[in-house]
Amino acid sequence: ETGVTQTPRHLVMGMTNKKSLKCEQHLGHNAMYWYKQSAKKPLELMFVYNFKEQTENNSVPSRFSPECPNSSHLFLHLHTLQPEDSALYLCASSQEGTGSGAYNEQFFGPGTRLTVL
Amino acid sequence: ELKVEQNPLFLSMQEGKNYTIYCNYSTTSDRLYWYRQDPGKSLESLFVLLSNGAVKQEGRLMASLDTKARLSTLHITAAVHDLSATYFCAVDKPFRSGGSEKLVFGKGTKLTVNP
Repeated sequence: ETGVTQTPRHLVMGMTNKKSLKCEQHLGHNAMYWYKQSAKKPLELMFVYNFKEQTENNSVPSRFSPECPNSSHLFLHLHTLQPEDSALYLCASSQEGTGSGAYNEQFFGPGTRLTVL
Repeated sequence: ELKVEQNPLFLSMQEGKNYTIYCNYSTTSDRLYWYRQDPGKSLESLFVLLSNGAVKQEGRLMASLDTKARLSTLHITAAVHDLSATYFCAVDKPFRSGGSEKLVFGKGTKLTVNP
């Protein structure tokens, strides 16, 4: 496997289900991200993990719960979702530096198309 | 708060024509990225622009950055059907000490190239 992979690619779940999305990056990066992309809104950053620590939580509802067990893996645990949560969920990774010359080119996975019934 | 605006949001053009997509942003940053997304697919990195005056070209696409005007352009030369996709710009919101806090994306420009 190369790049950033995500499973499953498609998920249909009921509002009372519990499911998890998985992301794995094979690029040796130290930061990983969850984004939500829906038809009517621009790409929304949900969570950032930098060096395995969560550094950003963009006011995401608690029905979304991230987990980053190591720098290569990222999960998004889902429970009691709403129909408006139906969207494409994208995972990305980057190699973040800390100096003035650092930049943040992010590499994206193929996404999970989530439908909540 | 960093805001990123792209225009146009929708662009329909004929093959062989030239056009420019604009990306304006609201606060100081010297790091800007362009991505392409095909329908149902993920985002693919096209260009990374890291300084004022930076210009990068790949095939029929050329991107430039003017940090003083807080403006980046993506110029399409002699468009072909294969360029049909949605193009996003993203601006780096930096920490004061350097390094990136996060990327802020524009809404995207949906480009359709007609034969």
